[in-house]
Amino acid sequence: ELKVEQNPLFLSMQEGKNYTIYCNYSTTSDRLYWYRQDPGKSLESLFVLLSNGAVKQEGRLMASLDTKARLSTLHITAAVHDLSATYFCAVTPGTYKYIFGTGTRLKVLA
Amino acid sequence: NAGVTQTPKFQVLKTGQSMTLQCAQDMNHEYMSWYRQDPGMGLRLIHYSVGAGITDQGEVPNGYNVSRSTTEDFPLRLLSAAPSQTSVYFCATHPWGGEVASTEAFFGQGTRLTVV
Repeated sequence: ELKVEQNPLFLSMQEGKNYTIYCNYSTTSDRLYWYRQDPGKSLESLFVLLSNGAVKQEGRLMASLDTKARLSTLHITAAVHDLSATYFCAVTPGTYKYIFGTGTRLKVLA
Repeated sequence: NAGVTQTPKFQVLKTGQSMTLQCAQDMNHEYMSWYRQDPGMGLRLIHYSVGAGITDQGEVPNGYNVSRSTTEDFPLRLLSAAPSQTSVYFCATHPWGGEVASTEAFFGQGTRLTVV
């Protein structure tokens, strides 16, 4: 059974601190996606990681992909309140299916 | 450019009623899909379609039907609603490069469904 697991599920952190969210998946996937969801809203794309070793950065967020370890990380640098949201990773195991992780709910405290 | 449009935004059904959730896209994407989002479960794939006339099941298809007669529309039908189908439903599209998604998915705004 394909599993996409994120940890932690919940994260409460102080503004200015750094933290990393982990996404582990159980089957082969050359690509990995990160999304953000604000409460009551839809999902918006953050990063598309298309190959092993890919690293992308946007503002205070940086995502990386290790396909051999089946692991992606989303690193938060010097968190600010506006980053409070739920973050999802997703993989495509190559069979027209787009499978999401359980989500990490991030709360940044002022 | 509307992108992906879902209707309705909110719906309350009684157990046993039927309804159709609508999803329309103007992005000319071949791939469309339906997800349900439940607390602590992430998004789970219900059904998907890789083009007009082609549909297939996802992780949790039971209780739902789909059809794809045009590229633009991908309705999701609940034939006999049950309380377990209370959820937030998202429609998504993306271009599909062969068998693997080449870009991110684009989501509708969601339909919050309550079955009582």
